[in-house]
Amino acid sequence: EVQLVQSGAEVKKPGESLRISCKGSGYSFTKYWISWVRQMPGKGLEWMGKIDLSDSYTNYSPSFQGHVTISADTSISTAYLQWSSLKASDTAMYYCARHKDIFEDYWGQGTLVTVSS
Amino acid sequence: QSVLTQPPSVSAAPGQKVTISCSGSSSNIGNNFVSWYHHLPGTAPKLLIYENNKRPSGIPDRFSGSKSGTSATLGITGLQTGDEADYYCGTWDSSLSAGVFGGGTKLTVL
Repeated sequence: EVQLVQSGAEVKKPGESLRISCKGSGYSFTKYWISWVRQMPGKGLEWMGKIDLSDSYTNYSPSFQGHVTISADTSISTAYLQWSSLKASDTAMYYCARHKDIFEDYWGQGTLVTVSS
Repeated sequence: QSVLTQPPSVSAAPGQKVTISCSGSSSNIGNNFVSWYHHLPGTAPKLLIYENNKRPSGIPDRFSGSKSGTSATLGITGLQTGDEADYYCGTWDSSLSAGVFGGGTKLTVL
């Protein structure tokens, strides 16, 4: 069974750094991409970017380029989404998903990130 | 403002049929496959339709998808109260070199 299990909710202050994780199981991790999707409170889904687990090549949406970093450690079948300096506007639910062709076929349960002073 | 345009809400009675539209452009829907997702906020979204009209294993044939030009449509027949959720269309945008979603449509089963 394909599963993507994300790390738990985080509460951080503006300016702090953060890395959240997404661990894949039940499939060959490096044969697919992992994408990250943001959902701000009361808003819709926004595609942030993806990483090719075979070579760690990344592709970011222009809206998120330079604001976040997507990485992975294939030895533990885990992908990451990272911020170096959080802002209040980063408060959102973040989902990872297995990216196949041009769609997301399996999704993680989401990680709620709250940024507040 | 989302790249793909969906109606904010639709509603219908149990047992009836509803359609949800998704409008884009030649850089996204016009030249790429469309997918559809079911989402209850706070839970994992679920893939309903991929490559315009294909259903993953386990998705009932009450759900269907179609595409024409730069628009796509999700159809749901035999509506059930359990179908109440947000529905999103998605595709690739070749100009942005990025995935894009519609703004989401909230389905209410009256």
